[in-house]
Amino acid sequence: GAVVSQHPSRVICKSGTSVKIECRSLDFQATTMFWYRQFPKQSLMLMATSNEGSKATYEQGVEKDKFLINHASLTLSTLTVTSAHPEDSSFYICSATEGPIAGNTIYFGEGSWLTVV
Amino acid sequence: DAKTTQPTSMDCAEGRAANLPCNHSTISGNEYVYWYRQIHSQGPQYIIHGLKNNETNEMASLIITEDRKSSTLILPHATLRDTAVYYCIVRLGYGNKLVFGAGTILRVKS
Repeated sequence: GAVVSQHPSRVICKSGTSVKIECRSLDFQATTMFWYRQFPKQSLMLMATSNEGSKATYEQGVEKDKFLINHASLTLSTLTVTSAHPEDSSFYICSATEGPIAGNTIYFGEGSWLTVV
Repeated sequence: DAKTTQPTSMDCAEGRAANLPCNHSTISGNEYVYWYRQIHSQGPQYIIHGLKNNETNEMASLIITEDRKSSTLILPHATLRDTAVYYCIVRLGYGNKLVFGAGTILRVKS
């Protein structure tokens, strides 16, 4: 299947700093990318949907000024957690698809563990 | 979004077929059924998807009832490495996103 890669896989940052997570589609052009977060023993929670060249659409309750999403190219989207706090510690996962047709498969990255200390 | 209902957990003997059910009684005509699985601390892995017809690939088979209100994912010969959380998701026709429920914890035992 198609490959989606995230970097870094694990990151530790100090409270109050910002951290960026990258999501790349390695063998296809991702017109749409999604960002999720997952707390231990819980399911994935969709944070936002981003289309290449457009502003991201955030799910209800997700602070867009705190979780900055950029999707500047067809192979790269970034999630920046600004002014991180310990409660932002979580598993962040991206996914990507070639287009908005419902039958197009969505592929997921390996996930990135963020620990804020 | 059409919601799905899955059992919380299931056990399966190694080498036997694992049949994971999913109810999606409010599914609409243009919504696909997707199955993903997640092994601890990894991103979800795509398994299979379908609209109306039964589907089979190298990983699994997907059986969708004629009224499309339920489906079953079949892992024909389960191995210990198939132990994971399995998510059945109905994908919004034009919205393009996947909304995850709680899933089924499948434990394959030797």
